[in-house]
Amino acid sequence: NAGVTQTPKFQVLKTGQSMTLQCAQDMNHNSMYWYRQDPGMGLRLIYYSASEGTTDKGEVPNGYNVSRLNKREFSLRLESAAPSQTSVYFCASSEARAIADTQYFGPGTRLTVL
Amino acid sequence: AQSVSQHNHHVILSEAASLELGCNYSYGGTVNLFWYVQYPGQHLQLLLKYFSGDPLVKGIKGFEAEFIKSKFSFNLRKPSVQWSDTAEYFCAVKFRGSQGNLIFGKGTKLSVKP
Repeated sequence: NAGVTQTPKFQVLKTGQSMTLQCAQDMNHNSMYWYRQDPGMGLRLIYYSASEGTTDKGEVPNGYNVSRLNKREFSLRLESAAPSQTSVYFCASSEARAIADTQYFGPGTRLTVL
Repeated sequence: AQSVSQHNHHVILSEAASLELGCNYSYGGTVNLFWYVQYPGQHLQLLLKYFSGDPLVKGIKGFEAEFIKSKFSFNLRKPSVQWSDTAEYFCAVKFRGSQGNLIFGKGTKLSVKP
């Protein structure tokens, strides 16, 4: 039981390049989330998927797209990377219970955009 | 807007000192409350959570937190810190009916001197 896994762990991009961050969970969770973590800012929600087949914008969605490929996988795409997207990206998942729901986090992807 | 405030950005303690980290949230009705810990270079791990019942919640590694509804607070405490508690601590709040989204505080970095 690996929990939430993310690939890659590290990535360096040039401005304008594109890439996809992958996330998978093996806990049979319904909901999945993408956050970015910046120094002094805590975690901010980029996009989330409440259930398979649905996605919604979070607090900071600009410059990103997501795909909920199936129940296990939720990918985050940067179409044209910008230096402002240099950050650590965390994926999380939860059962999506109406009450007592808990999110579990992956190990993160450290992205640098030059 | 719903928000979460952590009072201290950086706390420095000596081993065996007592710890209290503050967390306050904006009024938003019924809430679920969480404390996550992030050890250097690692992902977020759940420390403890409160959904209902006894407002004094015990978590892992000797941490506890008290929910005071009248003060909109959920402060984290530990009677005697260890060097291994050096980490960043995040308070997070789910406001019921908010589509499952967690709102994170900006984090408090704890440094414990041996």
